[in-house]
Amino acid sequence: DAGITQSPRHKVTETGTPVTLRCHQTENHRYMYWYRQDPGHGLRLIHYSYGVKDTDKGEVSDGYSVSRSKTEDFLLTLESATSSQTSVYFCAISEFAGDQPQHFGDGTRLSIL
Amino acid sequence: TQLLEQSPQFLSIQEGENLTVYCNSSSVFSSLQWYRQEPGEGPVLLVTVVTGGEVKKLKRLTFQFGDARKDSSLHITAAQPGDTGLYLCAGDGNNAGNMLTFGGGTRLMVKP
Repeated sequence: DAGITQSPRHKVTETGTPVTLRCHQTENHRYMYWYRQDPGHGLRLIHYSYGVKDTDKGEVSDGYSVSRSKTEDFLLTLESATSSQTSVYFCAISEFAGDQPQHFGDGTRLSIL
Repeated sequence: TQLLEQSPQFLSIQEGENLTVYCNSSSVFSSLQWYRQEPGEGPVLLVTVVTGGEVKKLKRLTFQFGDARKDSSLHITAAQPGDTGLYLCAGDGNNAGNMLTFGGGTRLMVKP
């Protein structure tokens, strides 16, 4: 299995609080991604990174920010969590460009009350 | 963003039956990927198809890419309970950054 660790695996928090999810990889892959998965929507891309300090928006980026200060770590921050951001969040990595096969972490289940 | 529609959304069958799930779009993709996801885990890549008309086999799973590269199918022969899971197709989005676009998934349950 690709070395991808997401933390925390589960989190419950209240509306309006900041939340940071972490993705750590040991594969030295250039590309990293954050997705959210909701019933009936498959996986939707939030943000992605194509190198250290190089990030860009995905399909559903509103309300989220990211940072990548090291190759191995990609952080997703919800500045002020809302109930609509309750979801399962997946981190993925790929060695090459965005349309190439991706390896996924096991997800973070986030509940915002 | 190019839309990928998967059908059926849900499928419940008995062990030993055959099934086909579909991934359709009105747009052309340079390649399509199929993933399987089990509860509590992330998706795992099964196969990538890149050539129109291409057929790939992975044990009891047969993947086909449409001639026009707009659609794909996954056929499972003699399904087993271990095949239970969420099957996702994904194609290059042909958007800025060429990121993957995922279909909504087909949730398969194979009963013993």
